[in-house]
Amino acid sequence: QKEVEQNSGPLSVPEGAIASLNCTYSDRGSQSFFWYRQYSGKSPEWIMSIYSNGDKEDGRFTAQLNKASQYVSLLIRDSQPSDSATYLCAVPRNNNDMRFGAGTRLTVKP
Amino acid sequence: NAGVMQNPRHLVRRRGQEARLRCSPMKGHSHVYWYRQLPEEGLKFMVYLQKENIIDESGMPKERFSAEFPKEGPSILRIQQVVRGDSAAYFCASSPPWRMNTEAFFGQGTRLTVV
Repeated sequence: QKEVEQNSGPLSVPEGAIASLNCTYSDRGSQSFFWYRQYSGKSPEWIMSIYSNGDKEDGRFTAQLNKASQYVSLLIRDSQPSDSATYLCAVPRNNNDMRFGAGTRLTVKP
Repeated sequence: NAGVMQNPRHLVRRRGQEARLRCSPMKGHSHVYWYRQLPEEGLKFMVYLQKENIIDESGMPKERFSAEFPKEGPSILRIQQVVRGDSAAYFCASSPPWRMNTEAFFGQGTRLTVV
């Protein structure tokens, strides 16, 4: 089992819709979870962190964490074409180095 | 406060040559991570270093690859006797020492092409 798994997509949503990106992880001891966005040909940029069960909102982005199910998700409300990118879920391993999922490619169609 | 700086941005090497990739972490950051990304693929962890220490190199190929983070100067990822399969984007990330499990910030990457 991979340490961090994501549906590679591509995920396509119309402009203005909610995009839902999902991630599962294998280490039950993980305490923190991160979402990154990577535009084609660019480096990953940090979007959000979440540490506690439940929802965390930041603008149009909401991160959701369920430690019992080892599941973390990212919701993007009112999706815009500029949100089209690959979204990477990251989980520190052994509370140290960051391990990334393969990423989900999101396309928002005007 | 400059971000994570990587150089060169693009590097072309012939098969058999050595490639040296440099990473200067953000000011105040003492944790450095190296990742490799093949085209259309995710980030693959290679090595995690702190100043003068390799903490985890479980993602590094056993041969030809080495990394260091000296007390002074940038972190270096060295690839000896490069082969075409080494062609990839190599990203460096850094994080501060005073918070565990903090987000890491990435440099712009070095795109290595082996011809």
